[in-house]
Amino acid sequence: AQKVTQAQTEISVVEKEDVTLDCVYETRDTTYYLFWYKQPPSGELVFLIRRNSFDEQNEISGRYSWNFQKSTSSFNFTITASQVVDSAVYFCALSEAAAGNKLTFGGGTRVLVKP
Amino acid sequence: EPEVTQTPSHQVTQMGQEVILRCVPISNHLYFYWYRQILGQKVEFLVSFYNNEISEKSEIFDDQFSVERPDGSNFTLKIRSTKLEDSAMYFCASSEARQTNYGYTFGSGTRLTVV
Repeated sequence: AQKVTQAQTEISVVEKEDVTLDCVYETRDTTYYLFWYKQPPSGELVFLIRRNSFDEQNEISGRYSWNFQKSTSSFNFTITASQVVDSAVYFCALSEAAAGNKLTFGGGTRVLVKP
Repeated sequence: EPEVTQTPSHQVTQMGQEVILRCVPISNHLYFYWYRQILGQKVEFLVSFYNNEISEKSEIFDDQFSVERPDGSNFTLKIRSTKLEDSAMYFCASSEARQTNYGYTFGSGTRLTVV
């Protein structure tokens, strides 16, 4: 069974600080996909990134970066030089190839960026 | 960019009443989904739908729930007799194919309040 754990429930930072969100997953499938979604106060789910289990290359996209480590089953997400607009709940999610497109979400981490 | 459209954005209903949540998926997408998020909690899978039938459903999706694609564009979630605990944000999503690497588009959600 697939499971996603986000141990941090809330992180509070001052603007321009870096924020790293932890995500640990469990799966028995060898082919799986990992996601990060952002949920701003308005409530919608905003897709940020998708990675498959065969692609451990870490990436930087603007102020966002991701660190995928299969050895520790972690898929961490970093916001560099945080801004007030980054304040949101961030969800990590997992989908197993055998389970089709069903997503299992973590509990979310609320990020509060103070000016 | 194509969008998944959900209506209404907010619905208030009395306990025991039937409610229908509506979604218009992206036109060339073939797979449709409903997810639920109780306030302050994680997003949970309810059901997936393909070729006019349910392909998978979670334990949450009991006999009170049903889904339908009544015409070529709408995808609906019906709750037969609402309970207080059905109060949540309901997200519709669609994808082009079953495999997760084809991605997933969420609607902006319907907030259901049962009083």
